[in-house]
Amino acid sequence: EVQLVQSGAEVKKSGESLKISCETSDYDFANYWIAWVRQRPGKGLELMGVIDPYDSDARYSPSFQGQVTISVDKFIATAFLQWSRLQASDSAMYYCARLQRRYFDHWGQGTLVTVS
Amino acid sequence: SYVLTQSPSVSVAPGKTAMITCGGDNIGLKSVHWYQQKPGQAPVLVIYYDTDRPSGIPERFSGSNSGTTATLSISRVEAGDEADYYCQVWDGTRDYVFGPGTKVTVL
Repeated sequence: EVQLVQSGAEVKKSGESLKISCETSDYDFANYWIAWVRQRPGKGLELMGVIDPYDSDARYSPSFQGQVTISVDKFIATAFLQWSRLQASDSAMYYCARLQRRYFDHWGQGTLVTVS
Repeated sequence: SYVLTQSPSVSVAPGKTAMITCGGDNIGLKSVHWYQQKPGQAPVLVIYYDTDRPSGIPERFSGSNSGTTATLSISRVEAGDEADYYCQVWDGTRDYVFGPGTKVTVL
């Protein structure tokens, strides 16, 4: 069974850095792009960017370009989302999802990030 | 960029049919995908490529897409169908776009 398991909730201060993870299993990691999606409290889904695990080609939505870094480690079948300097406005739930051509067929359980 | 519109909320009585719409410019020419998100849970794919259902999704969930509107229909609505529903398309260039979501309330 395909699984995406995300790292646990984080509480950070403004200005701190953070890297959250999305560990995948039971499929060929290199063959499916991974997406990161933000959901602020009470709001909708926002695509942050996608990455091709085969060659680490990452593409960012305009609102998130330069704000975060998406990466992968093929050897541990894990994707990452990273901030160098968090802001209060980064407080949200973050989901990773597997991209099946044009839609997202499997999702992680979410990582709640709180920035004070 | 491509914009999707959804009604903020839909209310439906148990046993009836809920219809959730997703509007966009010539959306009928695109493939539309739908996700269900229950409170406190991650989204779940319920319809892909307009009409296809992933394994495990009840036949009560169906989709259609034509002209400027795509529709997710939930027949014989149950209390457990209460959730937010999001449509999503690939805009044809490099962007995956989500609609703003529709909250379905079961009366």
